[in-house]
Amino acid sequence: GIQVEQSPPDLILQEGANSTLRCNFSDSVNNLQWFHQNPWGQLINLFYIPSGTKQNGRLSATTVATERYSLLYISSSQTTDSGVYFCAVVDYTGANSKLTFGKGITLSVRP
Amino acid sequence: KAGVTQTPRYLIKTRGQQVTLSCSPISGHRSVSWYQQTPGQGLQFLFEYFSETQRNKGNFPGRFSGRQFSNSRSEMNVSTLELGDSALYLCASSLAWGRDEQFFGPGTRLTVL
Repeated sequence: GIQVEQSPPDLILQEGANSTLRCNFSDSVNNLQWFHQNPWGQLINLFYIPSGTKQNGRLSATTVATERYSLLYISSSQTTDSGVYFCAVVDYTGANSKLTFGKGITLSVRP
Repeated sequence: KAGVTQTPRYLIKTRGQQVTLSCSPISGHRSVSWYQQTPGQGLQFLFEYFSETQRNKGNFPGRFSGRQFSNSRSEMNVSTLELGDSALYLCASSLAWGRDEQFFGPGTRLTVL
């Protein structure tokens, strides 16, 4: 099946710094989503971005489908950005909705 | 529009018991998927239901089962609980197809003693 790798596994930032989180995937995809998992465990949707570039406030994301990677940019980080960020994909092969997740990136933003 | 809801939010069971978890998708969504999250294995796909039919299944033992009702609500059942079944169980809903954006519920945290 499709493989998803996220890097770096851990990231520590000072408040106000910028960061780039990377997601590599091993095959063509129908769907790519970025999530932030809150302290209570819920996955919060950040971006639905199988290709192209999107922006939402201080966050933006780019997926280059032909090169099989996606990047999540966080600018002017805040302590509330801390948590685990997941990239997840649905492969192109079928009509099902199975998401394959990366292992996540743990971001700590220090005041 | 209301989001995905899951009940109960927390559950404590003992080994050998069985448990049923419930998920109500976003109104109009017909696909419901279930995932298990553990510190060691991360987020793993359990199964997906669409129009009351199981469309895909992950690599879990037969003790894990599910179903979907005509109103798209879904339940998953785990029989003969083991300590290793302690996990956060997450449900996701989407309109229909794999390319549709998926939305997750708050999860059910199951502890098996």
